[in-house]
Amino acid sequence: DAKTTQPTSMDCAEGRAANLPCNHSTISGNEYVYWYRQIHSQGPQYIIHGLKNNETNEMASLIITEDRKSSTLILPHATLRDTAVYYCIVRVDFGNEKLTFGTGTRLTIIP
Amino acid sequence: GAVVSQHPSWVICKSGTSVKIECRSLDFQATTMFWYRQFPKQSLMLMATSNEGSKATYEQGVEKDKFLINHASLTLSTLTVTSAHPEDSSFYICSGRQGGSNEKLFFGSGTQLSVL
Repeated sequence: DAKTTQPTSMDCAEGRAANLPCNHSTISGNEYVYWYRQIHSQGPQYIIHGLKNNETNEMASLIITEDRKSSTLILPHATLRDTAVYYCIVRVDFGNEKLTFGTGTRLTIIP
Repeated sequence: GAVVSQHPSWVICKSGTSVKIECRSLDFQATTMFWYRQFPKQSLMLMATSNEGSKATYEQGVEKDKFLINHASLTLSTLTVTSAHPEDSSFYICSGRQGGSNEKLFFGSGTQLSVL
């Protein structure tokens, strides 16, 4: 699996957009970018994933650069409940059983 | 969305005893289940991968005789920590995947194990 690099921590003011970057310069053509988050003492929660086009769902937007070497997860209107560790993972969609977590970004929403 | 139910949420046990953790997929059939362990302020570490009806595949450094995994049906996988010791105290998390796609891998809520 390609390796990802994320900032260790970030703060964001409540109500503002939270932009979480992820570098994945060694991503291969069949690997997707997945984002999960983990709120304290809970299991990870799926947020969004994409291959090369930008994606949006009810939780967030995912912006992937044209060369696919980096991406940004956007939480449009952050709330206190968005405080969590956010993991960016690159994976093929099928096969190869493992899903490997890096250290993630600890996002703190400030009131 | 799909739900993975994990029980118990927390357990305290004496050193030397065995603890069983259950992971059930409630509204989908999980052909593959993954077991992770997480120590405080660290990321999730994959312990093993289990496919329904076959033996689990363990990650390097994980003792298969200590962490027994059973995936007897498409909706249930169990992890038994045998002869638990204080160093086994950790947060254990299961996840289930339907079919072969990694899209929306679903996670349980985790089990906090404390071994005295």
